[in-house]
Amino acid sequence: EAQVTQNPRYLITVTGKKLTVTCSQNMNHEYMSWYRQDPGLGLRQIYYSMNVEVTDKGDVPEGYKVSRKEKRNFPLILESPSPNQTSLYFCASSRLAGGPSDTQYFGPGTRLTVL
Amino acid sequence: GQQLNQSPQSMFIQEGEDVSMNCTSSSIFNTWLWYKQDPGEGPVLLIALYKAGELTSNGRLTAQFGITRKDSFLNISASIPSDVGIYFCAGRDFGNEKLTFGTGTRLTIIP
Repeated sequence: EAQVTQNPRYLITVTGKKLTVTCSQNMNHEYMSWYRQDPGLGLRQIYYSMNVEVTDKGDVPEGYKVSRKEKRNFPLILESPSPNQTSLYFCASSRLAGGPSDTQYFGPGTRLTVL
Repeated sequence: GQQLNQSPQSMFIQEGEDVSMNCTSSSIFNTWLWYKQDPGEGPVLLIALYKAGELTSNGRLTAQFGITRKDSFLNISASIPSDVGIYFCAGRDFGNEKLTFGTGTRLTIIP
């Protein structure tokens, strides 16, 4: 089954404790992206990657890091989480844009609380 | 970063009613997408639009790509309880992989 998986689904942590949220897709997609969703703000892009070893900043990259060492995985790293990073995070993947094949598939979300 | 203006923010309707929502942007997009998000889930693509003026249907859903390339509309006919959720529009720039999302329309069906 084609899917995007994220782990963990729920995480409560404390300020300053490094954490990683994993994302994996099994569709051989080139493009992967991380979003955060906050009430009244919709989804805002954090980072994206157009292929292995190619990453770029989205609209809200501060406080986050990503890596793309393999095509299927795109982990989101918070080196020193702060309470304003409490949010619902989504990973998404797609083929590169250009037509009906560029649908973005979203993972189920990771709800992060930073105390 | 750029954001799309999506309206209304929320809708309370009765089962069987038709629903309309729209998105507007200050800049031109070459692709408009409409997603639905159920509680506790990630967004799922409903309709994709690739040409100005394009009108596309998916069951009871119909979406249009505005002629100016700066807006898009989604209509749902004869709403049913499973239509409840948050609907997002998203636009993609020319020559750019980046998607910009609207702020969402929360649809609630009153019993």
